Amino acid sequence: DAKTTQPNSMESNEEEPVHLPCNHSTISGTDYIHWYRQLPSQGPEYVIHGLTSNVNNRMASLAIAEDRKSSTLILHRATLRDAAVYYCILRDRGSNYKLTFGKGTLLTVNP
Amino acid sequence: DADVTQTPRNRITKTGKRIMLECSQTKGHDRMYWYRQDPGLGLRLIYYSFDVKDINKGEISDGYSVSRQAQAKFSLSLESAIPNQTALYFCATSDYGRGRLETQYFGPGTRLLVL
Repeated sequence: DAKTTQPNSMESNEEEPVHLPCNHSTISGTDYIHWYRQLPSQGPEYVIHGLTSNVNNRMASLAIAEDRKSSTLILHRATLRDAAVYYCILRDRGSNYKLTFGKGTLLTVNP
Repeated sequence: DADVTQTPRNRITKTGKRIMLECSQTKGHDRMYWYRQDPGLGLRLIYYSFDVKDINKGEISDGYSVSRQAQAKFSLSLESAIPNQTALYFCATSDYGRGRLETQYFGPGTRLLVL
């Protein structure tokens, strides 16, 4: 599986935007970029995914570089409830079920 | 009520004991998964099941077994627990969709301590 690299931790202030980066320089043409997050004492939850174009949903936006070697998860206005570990995961279309978790980025949101 | 439930939520056991962790889902999904998470690490796949008669090993299945009793139930057993199986265990489900990527839905986790 192609590998992702994320910062170990990031910090933000409440109500400010947060940009969480992910590098995936060995991404293949059939890899989708997924983001999950894990709130404290909970199981992971799906956030967003994309292939080539930028994506928006009610939780976040995903900005994908033109060469697809990196992507950024954007939380437009961080809240205390967004404090979590964020995982950037590549999923090959041929391995539809497989989720390979790395260590993710621990996001701290300051009040 | 939660869509994916796990019991027990916390368990302390002794080395050599057999224990079972249970997972139930009300989402009507065919696919179910067991993961473990160690401190500071991501989740690793133990076993997965695409339907009641289709069970597969994940990347770290040694020392574990599973049973898919029904579409909604998937149990994980530690036949003879050892201390390095101390971890947080998560069950997940997904709905198979040909040609589309599946989202996995996770339970709240079971914290297991093996003494």
